[in-house]
Amino acid sequence: RKEVEQDPGPFNVPEGATVAFNCTYSNSASQSFFWYRQDCRKEPKLLMSVYSSGNEDGRFTAQLNRASQYISLLIRDSKLSDSATYLCVVNFYTGGFKTIFGAGTRLFVKA
Amino acid sequence: EAGVTQSPTHLIKTRGQQATLRCSPISGHTSVYWYQQALGLGLQFLLWYDEGEERNRGNFPPRFSGRQFPNYSSELNVNALELEDSALYLCASSSTGGPSYEQYFGPGTRLTVT
Repeated sequence: RKEVEQDPGPFNVPEGATVAFNCTYSNSASQSFFWYRQDCRKEPKLLMSVYSSGNEDGRFTAQLNRASQYISLLIRDSKLSDSATYLCVVNFYTGGFKTIFGAGTRLFVKA
Repeated sequence: EAGVTQSPTHLIKTRGQQATLRCSPISGHTSVYWYQQALGLGLQFLLWYDEGEERNRGNFPPRFSGRQFPNYSSELNVNALELEDSALYLCASSSTGGPSYEQYFGPGTRLTVT
């Protein structure tokens, strides 16, 4: 089983739709979590950190479920510019910090 | 504020040669991370440096090495290049504390091995 798993998609949604992605992780000692977006052939850009209490930034909401070992990202009122690959990141400590990126979920928002 | 910078943008080498990639972190950041992203694949963690020391490395052979300088910039060296080393190499930085902190990425160096 992979340490971090994401549904690769693609998710094809119309503008204005709400879309949600999940990311599961296998290590229960995981300590910090992030969502990044990556446009084609570009570097990943930090979207948001994921806090235990959940957090929101405009149209984006991130949640953490430690019991079930997954994080989620909800995008409301999708824009064409939201089209990208969304990467989840999990950090955990096993004698040294380990950072694992998910393979990403591809989102296409269409007019 | 300047972001993470990397040089060169593109690098073309032949099999067996050595490649050196450079990274300058965001001012005030002391941790630098290196990742490999092969075409169509996810980011694979290579190395983490903090305060001049290697703190952790991913599952890569010893011919992948690096160092961090007193000004916190970093260098990634890849010896005895193989065709499968062709990839985008991304550098990221964070403030002291390591991976628990948010990482900010540079634009990457695209290495092509022929």
